[in-house]
Amino acid sequence: AQSVSQHNHHVILSEAASLELGCNYSYGGTVNLFWYVQYPGQHLQLLLKYFSGDPLVKGIKGFEAEFIKSKFSFNLRKPSVQWSDTAEYFCAVNAHASGGSYIPTFGRGTSLIVHP
Amino acid sequence: DAGVIQSPRHEVTEMGQEVTLRCKPISGHNSLFWYRQTMMRGLELLIYFNNNVPIDDSGMPEDRFSAKMPNASFSTLKIQPSEPRDSAVYFCASRNKANQPQHFGDGTRLSIL
Repeated sequence: AQSVSQHNHHVILSEAASLELGCNYSYGGTVNLFWYVQYPGQHLQLLLKYFSGDPLVKGIKGFEAEFIKSKFSFNLRKPSVQWSDTAEYFCAVNAHASGGSYIPTFGRGTSLIVHP
Repeated sequence: DAGVIQSPRHEVTEMGQEVTLRCKPISGHNSLFWYRQTMMRGLELLIYFNNNVPIDDSGMPEDRFSAKMPNASFSTLKIQPSEPRDSAVYFCASRNKANQPQHFGDGTRLSIL
């Protein structure tokens, strides 16, 4: 079965600092990759997605992620964080299973706190 | 376009009571997912449906939990009898194609006393 690992459980940064959140998955077949954000008290929202093509994906609010197939990684980055980026970030994988279904698997999440 | 709609937003009840959570997916979406989120265990997939049929319920914790999807626009997650350890936020999500991202509802915050 596929799994998703997010190595940073808690990250604390000051405003304007650069951000990189790690995500590794274990699955050898076709995958689609996602990052979701959950602001305090809200539901998960899509930040960006990767299906194919350019491995560097641009998302909303200045976020980007790079898919490195050889490393099974999909790390999230932002050059300069803002206080409003304080949230929980989830990496997710849709792994292609038999019968044409795509099973979603989420990482444990990374809590980001940005100090003003 | 209305998103995924969950009700109730908050539920507080005593242990032993039956709890029913409801979800209306986005119109046209053919897959529906139920998740449970806690501090200890993170986001757990409980069950998901494709075209109203349960595909994978391996995440359902035990027989006290059951889920149904009688039609394409409605699903329920039922806990009977409820226990304090069931306290969590329960999210419903839907998607329109197998490899697409999911759209999440606002969740139901459940507290079992």
